[in-house]
Amino acid sequence: GDSVTQMEGPVTLSEEAFLTINCTYTATGYPSLFWYVQYPGEGLQLLLKATKADDKGSNKGFEATYRKETTSFHLEKGSVQVSDSAVYFCALKLTTGNQFYFGTGTSLTVIP
Amino acid sequence: DTAVSQTPKYLVTQMGNDKSIKCEQNLGHDTMYWYKQDSKKFLKIMFSYNNKELIINETVPNRFSPKSPDKAHLNLHINSLELGDSAVYFCASTKHATNEKLFFGSGTQLSVL
Repeated sequence: GDSVTQMEGPVTLSEEAFLTINCTYTATGYPSLFWYVQYPGEGLQLLLKATKADDKGSNKGFEATYRKETTSFHLEKGSVQVSDSAVYFCALKLTTGNQFYFGTGTSLTVIP
Repeated sequence: DTAVSQTPKYLVTQMGNDKSIKCEQNLGHDTMYWYKQDSKKFLKIMFSYNNKELIINETVPNRFSPKSPDKAHLNLHINSLELGDSAVYFCASTKHATNEKLFFGSGTQLSVL
């Protein structure tokens, strides 16, 4: 079935470190891919998305590239800040239907 | 203005009780969802309504009953609460059923004692 697998957390980084959170997917069709972020005590917010192969989504210094050949959508940021501390969710949605599939979330803590 | 608002934010109750969580969106969206997030942050779809019609009904105990009086509201009623129901419940909406951006409420933390 359709699913998303993302790297286990928690991840702890020092400020200005490089971030990678891995995400791979399994889908029967041609999904759109997303990263959502959940700050403490809040609901999830869309961080970035990509709708087709080789697209790059970017927002707030975060980037992810839709790689069909490796079925991956890894999240990267060159220099993290304390304010990036949150839980990050990879997700997919098929172009048919309205079901979103979320990964298990990766908790990121950035220390000064 | 809060786009997707759910109440209450916190709900502490005893086993066996019946409780409701309310959700309202002022975005004019057609589709609304209930998700359950467990203590490990795993997010699981429970229900989805499109224009008051149930379109997703995952494997959820029938103690959980959603109700959509109009397309701006999706409430969740839970009968005979159990310890395992303790979780954070999120309401969300999208403009249309096939739309790709979910807007989430800030969650209702349910604790069953």
